[in-house]
Amino acid sequence: EDQVTQSPEALRLQEGESSSLNCSYTVSGLRGLFWYRQDPGKGPEFLFTLYSAGEEKEKERLKATLTKKESFLHITAPKPEDSATYLCAVHGGNNRKLIWGLGTSLAVNP
Amino acid sequence: NAGVTQTPKFQVLKTGQSMTLQCAQDMNHEYMSWYRQDPGMGLRLIHYSVGAGITDQGEVPNGYNVSRSTTEDFPLRLLSAAPSQTSVYFCATGRGARVRLISYNSPLHFGNGTRLTVT
Repeated sequence: EDQVTQSPEALRLQEGESSSLNCSYTVSGLRGLFWYRQDPGKGPEFLFTLYSAGEEKEKERLKATLTKKESFLHITAPKPEDSATYLCAVHGGNNRKLIWGLGTSLAVNP
Repeated sequence: NAGVTQTPKFQVLKTGQSMTLQCAQDMNHEYMSWYRQDPGMGLRLIHYSVGAGITDQGEVPNGYNVSRSTTEDFPLRLLSAAPSQTSVYFCATGRGARVRLISYNSPLHFGNGTRLTVT
């Protein structure tokens, strides 16, 4: 069964404390992996698309990487404004659907 | 450039009532879709459209209707509201859709949601 699993469910960091969020997937025929950020009361906001193993993308304090089984979202020296829920979605599988993970809720304390 | 606009932001319905959630976009995107987001369930696709006049069912279509008469608008109709439809609803759009095939090379752009409560 095509599945996307994000871990941890919740993460609390101190400002400046770097860490990584994980998105593991069991989806055949990967066509793309997407990271989104969602703030409370808002819709998800696109961050990155990764297409093939070994690919990396960066934006400010965020860096996304991709292997054949998982993707990591690395957060370097986070700030309180990085607090949000981070969602992972994978396009692929037999039906070429977009499969969403449940997200990681990140809180960065000042 | 407003992007994706959803109205209303909040709505309370009684069981059995009907209503329409509105979604409008000014990005000239071919692909439009409706999702619901529930705790522990994540985002689930209700219906989607790859262009004016073309709609199709997603993962959880029962109890909802859609139509796409223009590129810009994609309303979601609840025919007879039930408590199980209490949720946050998001409209999302994207580029590069082809007939019956969805190209996800472009990211989805989401509205800010409608929070619906059915009592």
